[in-house]
Amino acid sequence: GENVEQHPSTLSVQEGDSAVIKCTYSDSASNYFPWYKQELGKRPQLIIDIRSNVGEKKDQRIAVTLNKTAKHFSLHITETQPEDSAVYFCAASKGGSYIPTFGRGTSLIVHP
Amino acid sequence: DTEVTQTPKHLVMGMTNKKSLKCEQHMGHRAMYWYKQKAKKPPELMFVYSYEKLSINESVPSRFSPECPNSSLLNLHLHALQPEDSALYLCASSQERGQLAGVNEQFFGPGTRLTVL
Repeated sequence: GENVEQHPSTLSVQEGDSAVIKCTYSDSASNYFPWYKQELGKRPQLIIDIRSNVGEKKDQRIAVTLNKTAKHFSLHITETQPEDSAVYFCAASKGGSYIPTFGRGTSLIVHP
Repeated sequence: DTEVTQTPKHLVMGMTNKKSLKCEQHMGHRAMYWYKQKAKKPPELMFVYSYEKLSINESVPSRFSPECPNSSLLNLHLHALQPEDSALYLCASSQERGQLAGVNEQFFGPGTRLTVL
């Protein structure tokens, strides 16, 4: 089955800095890669996703890149703000039925 | 309506109690999921329903019993739980095969925070 590795497990940055979270996956058939943000006590919320026919996608301060050959994808957050503090999960899935395999999560702390 | 709702928000139960968690969506999704999540860990898949039929059971103990009465509702019946079952229980839904192709997004409900004493 699919295996998703996520690093780092904790990331501490100063407000205004950039943050990068990296994930690798094992199944070359995976074709959909979402990123979820989960604030304390809240539900996971999709913040950005990318499909295997695209190399990069951007939405305001967040961007995701995908390298299919190397089987890794990354989340980039620029100009971080304290409200970006949360646990971020990457995931990978394939096929018509959406059952994601999640990474272990990254706890992002943005210091004011 | 683009929301998955769950009730109750919080539940405290004893090990001999029987209780149920409820989930509802009106997005026309035909795949619905139950996840268990411990603090700062990823959601762990428990069950998947596809077109109201149980398609995946991730070797979940029988003290958890899912039910899908119709395409909008998903229940999780709880009986004789253990303290280690205390967690956030998340429901999710998504499109399924035969529905809009290429749309994979999974929508999560707010969860039920379960405490087993």
